[in-house]
Amino acid sequence: NAGVTQTPKFQVLKTGQSMTLQCAQDMNHEYMSWYRQDPGMGLRLIHYSVGAGITDQGEVPNGYNVSRSTTEDFPLRLLSAAPSQTSVYFCASTRGTSSYNSPLHFGNGTRLTVT
Amino acid sequence: AQTVTQSQPEMSVQEAETVTLSCTYDTSESDYYLFWYKQPPSRQMILVIRQEAYKQQNATENRFSVNFQKAAKSFSLKISDSQLGDAAMYFCAYRSVPNDYKLSFGAGTTVTVRA
Repeated sequence: NAGVTQTPKFQVLKTGQSMTLQCAQDMNHEYMSWYRQDPGMGLRLIHYSVGAGITDQGEVPNGYNVSRSTTEDFPLRLLSAAPSQTSVYFCASTRGTSSYNSPLHFGNGTRLTVT
Repeated sequence: AQTVTQSQPEMSVQEAETVTLSCTYDTSESDYYLFWYKQPPSRQMILVIRQEAYKQQNATENRFSVNFQKAAKSFSLKISDSQLGDAAMYFCAYRSVPNDYKLSFGAGTTVTVRA
């Protein structure tokens, strides 16, 4: 039972480089999302998706792109990395519209450092 | 986004004692869900307890219980009989029921357990 799988666990980038953080879930969850965690700020929503082919912006979307071509996968792309994007990134998923009290299932996070 | 405030950046508790973490939130909605998540040093996000706003009874999960005061918009977490494994960062989170699955998180409270 894999749940939500994120790769890589750690990544170091140079300013201006691009990369993709991978996220996959095997629970047939409709809703998937990306958060970033910064000290003293909790977790903030970057992008989310309510189903394949549908994505929307969260609280801090600038500098990030997402796509949802399948139910299982929800990659996060950094277009041109900046030091301000140094953070811990979490992917999370949950069931669909009939389960408002369903909790988010989180991946184990990716620690990204941009130098 | 809803505002969730955790006013205690750090709390320390003696093993076997009780500690209470505070959380307040700002909302104009009458129906919503509240959650407490635990993040140990492993970085994993673990659901501790959830509360539905329309239920007056406070949720309880083993040694973890909440004091939900809807009028005061307060949602505190009590950890009884604290154990060394309870040492972690704890996040309070809010989700609007009629809206979607976005969670708004507080900044977190780091709990240290003294042996």
